[in-house]
Amino acid sequence: EDQVTQSPEALRLQEGESSSLNCSYTVSGLRGLFWYRQDPGKGPEFLFTLYSAGEEKEKERLKATLTKKESFLHITAPKPEDSATYLCAVLNSGGSNYKLTFGKGTLLTVNP
Amino acid sequence: NAGVTQTPKFRVLKTGQSMTLLCAQDMNHEYMYWYRQDPGMGLRLIHYSVGEGTTAKGEVPDGYNVSRLKKQNFLLGLESAAPSQTSVYFCASSYPAIREQYFGPGTRLTVT
Repeated sequence: EDQVTQSPEALRLQEGESSSLNCSYTVSGLRGLFWYRQDPGKGPEFLFTLYSAGEEKEKERLKATLTKKESFLHITAPKPEDSATYLCAVLNSGGSNYKLTFGKGTLLTVNP
Repeated sequence: NAGVTQTPKFRVLKTGQSMTLLCAQDMNHEYMYWYRQDPGMGLRLIHYSVGEGTTAKGEVPDGYNVSRLKKQNFLLGLESAAPSQTSVYFCASSYPAIREQYFGPGTRLTVT
């Protein structure tokens, strides 16, 4: 059974204080790893897809990286508007193109 | 483009009542999904559809039914609501293959 574990559960940063969120996964063959951002009371918003170990993607202050066992979401010089829950999800190679397994998320709070 | 929309945004039901949640997307996506999100559980797949007229069970299908009569719409039905179905429900859609899913704003359902 696929498993996705995100850590920490919650992270509080000061504005400008860089840090990383972790997503550890156990899947029977990874086809894709997805990062989403979710604001309170809203649906998840797509950020990145990573397909193979060594791949990196960037968007503004966010950078996602992937190894064979985990992914990191690096946040450089965060701002208060980066406060949200960040979700990680994996797609395995078990034959379906649609069954994502989600982690429980990391709640990020950036104080001004 | 409106993306993925969901109706209603909020609903309160009594145990045993029935209701239908409507999801609509204007991105011409083939695949559509219904998830529920509960505190501490992460997003869990209820049912999904890979095309008009097709539906399939996800991880937690019991107590729910779905229909996909038109490509742009995906309906989730609760025939006899139970308190355990109190949750936030999200609809999502995507293109086929290993592609990101786009989520709607959610429906908060309370069953008393």
